[in-house]
Amino acid sequence: GESVGLHLPTLSVQEGDNSIINCAYSNSASDYFIWYKQESGKGPQFIIDIRSNMDKRQGQRVTVLLNKTVKHLSLQIAATQPGDSAVYFCAEGSRGFQKLVFGTGTRLLVSP
Amino acid sequence: DGGITQSPKYLFRKEGQNVTLSCEQNLNHDAMYWYRQDPGQGLRLIYYSQIVNDFQKGDIAEGYSVSREKKESFPLTVTSAQKNPTAFYLCASTPRMEGSPLHFGNGTRLTVT
Repeated sequence: GESVGLHLPTLSVQEGDNSIINCAYSNSASDYFIWYKQESGKGPQFIIDIRSNMDKRQGQRVTVLLNKTVKHLSLQIAATQPGDSAVYFCAEGSRGFQKLVFGTGTRLLVSP
Repeated sequence: DGGITQSPKYLFRKEGQNVTLSCEQNLNHDAMYWYRQDPGQGLRLIYYSQIVNDFQKGDIAEGYSVSREKKESFPLTVTSAQKNPTAFYLCASTPRMEGSPLHFGNGTRLTVT
């Protein structure tokens, strides 16, 4: 399959643990943030998004936290499963047009 | 099922040849995008199109060209002027809606030797 990042930061967890993946964004004017999951050989898959008027948003087993003061975004995955193993990207942008700026990604490895 | 289809999955070319990557979507999305992905880097925007017969350069457009003759199709040509064309190319689309996430295809791996 594709290698989407040979030198990515890596987070290794055990199955069932909670995972937290962090992202620092660059533009204080960004008002829309997204997390994507990318498995080897595939395109990025949308996980969850959040607008800048929110601090927290929850989905199924995932939570995104936004701290605008320090320009920090995090993705929390509850009860991590081996199928969650992938590279996770954050992206920032502005409403009205989806010209997103992507981070370099974090590789999540889940051991059974 | 609606989605974005990129073809082929793997493409090999000799240096100096132009090559065109296909991207087709049946999501009825207005906007389409091409990104390039290299190991250890985030996705970088090559070109985007918000509407048929209109497109704009992204951050790394040099050595690439696109066309948008149909809403469903946004082919990318990698020309011989692109100095480092070997990469993973991703096509995406989104409806012209505020705050809509990009939908991605599964990419084309281009290798130029």
